[in-house]
Formats: sequence, C-alpha cells, structure tokens
Amino acid sequence: GAGVSQSPSNKVTEKGKDVELRCDPISGHTALYWYRQSLGQGLEFLIYFQGNSAPDKSGLPSDRFSAERTGGSVSTLTIQRTQQEDSAVYLCASSFLGRRNSPLHFGNGTRLTVT
Amino acid sequence: QQQVKQSPQSLIVQKGGISIINCAYENTAFDYFPWYQQFPGKGPALLIAIRPDVSEKKEGRFTISFNKSAKQFSLHIMDSQPGDSATYFCAASMIGGGSNYKLTFGKGTLLTVNP
Repeated sequence: GAGVSQSPSNKVTEKGKDVELRCDPISGHTALYWYRQSLGQGLEFLIYFQGNSAPDKSGLPSDRFSAERTGGSVSTLTIQRTQQEDSAVYLCASSFLGRRNSPLHFGNGTRLTVT
Repeated sequence: QQQVKQSPQSLIVQKGGISIINCAYENTAFDYFPWYQQFPGKGPALLIAIRPDVSEKKEGRFTISFNKSAKQFSLHIMDSQPGDSATYFCAASMIGGGSNYKLTFGKGTLLTVNP
C-alpha cells in the first residue's frame, strides 16, 4: 500500500519567506509526527498529533514554527520568516496507536534550503 | 541534554565482517528501543526493536543486545554486506499505553561496507 507522502521533496526559499510543507500519512494511522533532520544532528522531534487530542508542540524550536492536522489526516508544517538555520530535511511519520509496538513509518522528507 | 548517545559516528567494515554500533541512554523511564536504517534520500525505516524485559533479540543477521543496568544497547550486524551501507539510528521512547510516543534518536552512524 501507499506509504507516507511528503511534498514538496525539495524547497529552496529566500530568507524571510514563509514555507508550507505537506504530509499525507498512511490511511488509518492515528498518530502523526514531524521531525527535523540536520546534518550530523540526528532526528529532532518537533510536534506530535494523536487523534482529536491537543498536539504536543514541545519540540517546536520557535514561534515561527506551527503545524496543523486537518480531519485527522493531512498535516501541514508552516515556517514563517525562514532563517538559514531552518535549512534541514523535515520528516513526517505516522503510526497506528493502539497496536502494541506499531512502528513509525517515515516519509522521504522535504529538503528545505533557505538562501 | 542529549538523552541517547550513539557511537561511532562512522564505521567502515569489510564484507562479511561484523558491524557494531553502540547506544547509551539516560532516562530510566525509556522502555522501547528501536533501531532505524536510513538510505540516502529516503526516510528512516524500522529495522529491529527491543523491550527491556529481554537482553537480546535477533532477526536474521541483525541482533540487538540490551544491558539494562548499564543503560546501554547495541546493534550487531553479522556477515555485513555492501547493501547494508546506510545510516543507522538508535532511538528510545516510553511505550505506556501501546504508543510509540516521541522517539528520542541518537545522532546516527554512517556504515560503509566495502566489497
């Protein structure tokens, strides 16, 4: 079946511009995560959505970052007034909570470059 | 505070050799320890995972060894193959209620298996 889909795969933007990154999770998956992968820094947790519960935003690095998940499915990560340090690969993952040890399924990411 | 420390950063192994990657964690509440494999341009994919109630788990050529008292776990790849060349991430989380909530990742190990 289809995996987690992210778009665009690459995004180049100028410093100060806003960007929107999209994630289509696997159908039926109730949990959705955003991670950021910077060179040599591993995967940094950003935000987590689970069903209708309030999202866990504890990993968002600043108030320029926000995310929403509409209808319990598609999610959009928005970065306002982008800075060069925002350049990274943004990964989305989904999983089926309620099933013991259901793994996270990652998309291939959006590579963001801020010039 | 880095909660999961991974070493080495990079590893070169000859075909047929054993690859060993080590991780140490700090939070004693962690109770789920997966390893993810990532190929260039792709998102990470679950390779193998362990719970702290066992000291070892083996799946094919991949084995996780877990030492709860030392708060360490490691990945062993037996008979390493060039196709195993990838970046490997260890991770940890608190399952609690059957969820994979907020995985904390190590910084990754770039494995190169020479033919």
